[in-house]
Amino acid sequence: DAKTTQPPSMDCAEGRAANLPCNHSTISGNEYVYWYRQIHSQGPQYIIHGLKNNETNEMASLIITEDRKSSTLILPHATLRDTAVYYCIVIGGNKLVFGAGTILRVKS
Amino acid sequence: DADVTQTPRNRITKTGKRIMLECSQTKGHDRMYWYRQDPGLGLRLIYYSFDVKDINKGEISDGYSVSRQAQAKFSLSLESAIPNQTALYFCATSAFQVGQGNYNEQFFGPGTRLTVL
Repeated sequence: DAKTTQPPSMDCAEGRAANLPCNHSTISGNEYVYWYRQIHSQGPQYIIHGLKNNETNEMASLIITEDRKSSTLILPHATLRDTAVYYCIVIGGNKLVFGAGTILRVKS
Repeated sequence: DADVTQTPRNRITKTGKRIMLECSQTKGHDRMYWYRQDPGLGLRLIYYSFDVKDINKGEISDGYSVSRQAQAKFSLSLESAIPNQTALYFCATSAFQVGQGNYNEQFFGPGTRLTVL
C-alpha cells in the first residue's frame, strides 16, 4: 500500500473551511484514498473515501488531483468538535495502515 | 446501544499475567480487527478475521493471540503480559460488499486502556 505524507498539525478558525492536505505520490491505479479521524483517544471514525473522482458526503469533501498523487480533505465549516487527528490512508487491499496523521485544532 | 463494544474499558495488570480483551458487535459484519495504539502514534493492526473460520496475523501479532467465537465476538489475549504491551486497544468491524471493490469503512469500538506494571 502506498505511503502518505501529512503535515503534523494545522490550525483553523471556527466557522471557516479546514483544508487538510495529503501526499501519496506512489499511489497505484487500484488504490483508494480513505480519511478517518480520531477525537481524543476515541475509536477512529470513517469520514470519506475516493478512487479518482471528487467525493462529498454530509461530513466532508474529498478532492483528488488528476494525477492522484495528492488529495485534500475539506471540512466546509469547521467547529470546535472537529478538533481531532485526521488520518489519510491509501489502500488497495483489506487492511488499513494508519500513519501519525494531522492534528487539526479548531479555534474560536 | 453501541454497535461495537469492548470489555473491559480499563485494565491494570501485572507482568506475566494472562489477560483477555473482548469485543462484541451488533452490526452483523463478517470482518473484525484488533489494533493497538501507543501514545502519539497511529493504530497498528494486531490480528484480523474475515469470518468465523478465518484468522490472520497483522503487523504486530507477536505476544498476542485471538479467538473468533462467533460472528459477533472477537477476543484478544495476552498470554503473558509485559510492560511494553501497555497501550490503547481498539476493536473494529467492517462489512464485505460484493461488487464494491475495495471497501474499508471500519467501525471502531471505544477502546480498552491496558496498563501492564
